[in-house]
Amino acid sequence: TQLLEQSPQFLSIQEGENLTVYCNSSSVFSSLQWYRQEPGEGPVLLVTVVTGGEVKKLKRLTFQFGDARKDSSLHITAAQTGDTGLYLCAGLTGGGADGLTFGKGTHLIIQP
Amino acid sequence: DAGVIQSPRHEVTEMGQEVTLRCKPISGHNSLFWYRQTMMRGLELLIYFNNNVPIDDSGMPEDRFSAKMPNASFSTLKIQPSEPRDSAVYFCASSPTHAYGYTFGSGTRLTVV
Repeated sequence: TQLLEQSPQFLSIQEGENLTVYCNSSSVFSSLQWYRQEPGEGPVLLVTVVTGGEVKKLKRLTFQFGDARKDSSLHITAAQTGDTGLYLCAGLTGGGADGLTFGKGTHLIIQP
Repeated sequence: DAGVIQSPRHEVTEMGQEVTLRCKPISGHNSLFWYRQTMMRGLELLIYFNNNVPIDDSGMPEDRFSAKMPNASFSTLKIQPSEPRDSAVYFCASSPTHAYGYTFGSGTRLTVV
């Protein structure tokens, strides 16, 4: 059973379009992080959200943490080819004594 | 800052051989993590250390896997004996504490034939 479910698994859209990807769980997280991974490299941290309902913006990327701290979304406005990559969400549960648990990610391809 | 450094980048070995993966975390980071990534299972936490002490090794798949952190600047993940199903990309990551964002290395792609 995957603790963090990400959807869609794959997404291919045209440059300039908007998109939203989701990260859902039945567990409550003390914090949730989003990473982006390119082929042949390790994941790179984009953002950390810790408060239910929190919204953070990073240029064209908007991250939202659900009120109950069980889910999150990533919205990209006017996608660019450079946004192509694997987007991973990861959460810390309980007292935070464990390491991050990752979802399987959304493979995003932005076509020119 | 050179970031998290892993070696080797690629390793091809025969089934039954011993494999040792190496990691140098970012100086000053107190937490170090070993993950394994496959298409089927995604990123799985194998073990993590805090101040060089193993805190949680429940993700280590079998006794064939072992990890050490003899000092704050070096960690190893050893597989002995290796099996084809161990083929994956192994990542090391470090963090100021386990609750902060992680900095990942570029990974070691292991192929066991």
